[in-house]
Amino acid sequence: DAKTTQPPSMDCAEGRAANLPCNHSTISGNEYVYWYRQIHSQGPQYIIHGLKNNETNEMASLIITEDRKSSTLILPHATLRDTAVYYCIIRVEGSTLGRLYFGRGTQLTVWP
Amino acid sequence: EPEVTQTPSHQVTQMGQEVILRCVPISNHLYFYWYRQILGQKVEFLVSFYNNEISEKSEIFDDQFSVERPDGSNFTLKIRSTKLEDSAMYFCASSRQGSGNQPQHFGDGTRLSIL
Repeated sequence: DAKTTQPPSMDCAEGRAANLPCNHSTISGNEYVYWYRQIHSQGPQYIIHGLKNNETNEMASLIITEDRKSSTLILPHATLRDTAVYYCIIRVEGSTLGRLYFGRGTQLTVWP
Repeated sequence: EPEVTQTPSHQVTQMGQEVILRCVPISNHLYFYWYRQILGQKVEFLVSFYNNEISEKSEIFDDQFSVERPDGSNFTLKIRSTKLEDSAMYFCASSRQGSGNQPQHFGDGTRLSIL
């Protein structure tokens, strides 16, 4: 699976949008971009995923560049409870092997 | 919303003892996974399980580990003879299918402490 690069840490004021970048320059055409987050020592929480098009759900928006080499996770109105480590992960479509490769992610701190 | 549940939340065991960690995956999911996270380190894949057999395992998943789906709802991870370095958070996950388009959903984990 393609490797990803994320900044180790970011911070954001409560109520503002948090924009978390991810580079995945070696991504292949059949690979999905996934985002998870981990709050303290809880289990990773699925946020959103996409292949080519931008995606939005109740938690976040995912913007994927046209060349698919990078993406941005947007939390439109960050709250203190969004403080967590955010992981950008690439998964191959059609692969049944299933394993997720977690890197170090980005520690997002939302401050009051 | 359906969720993956894990028990116990914390398990303390003497080195050399056997331990069984339990998971109830989301009910209509067919693929099951175990991951672990040693304190301060990355989340690491251990094993995936489908149709009552192991689909894939990592180099961490050696002979002291085994997995089982003893009934229609539970999925267990057994560590036969625990070592100090097995101390970690263990996370169970499940997905409806194993393909890249299906997210895995995680439980909140079992903290395993080996004394």
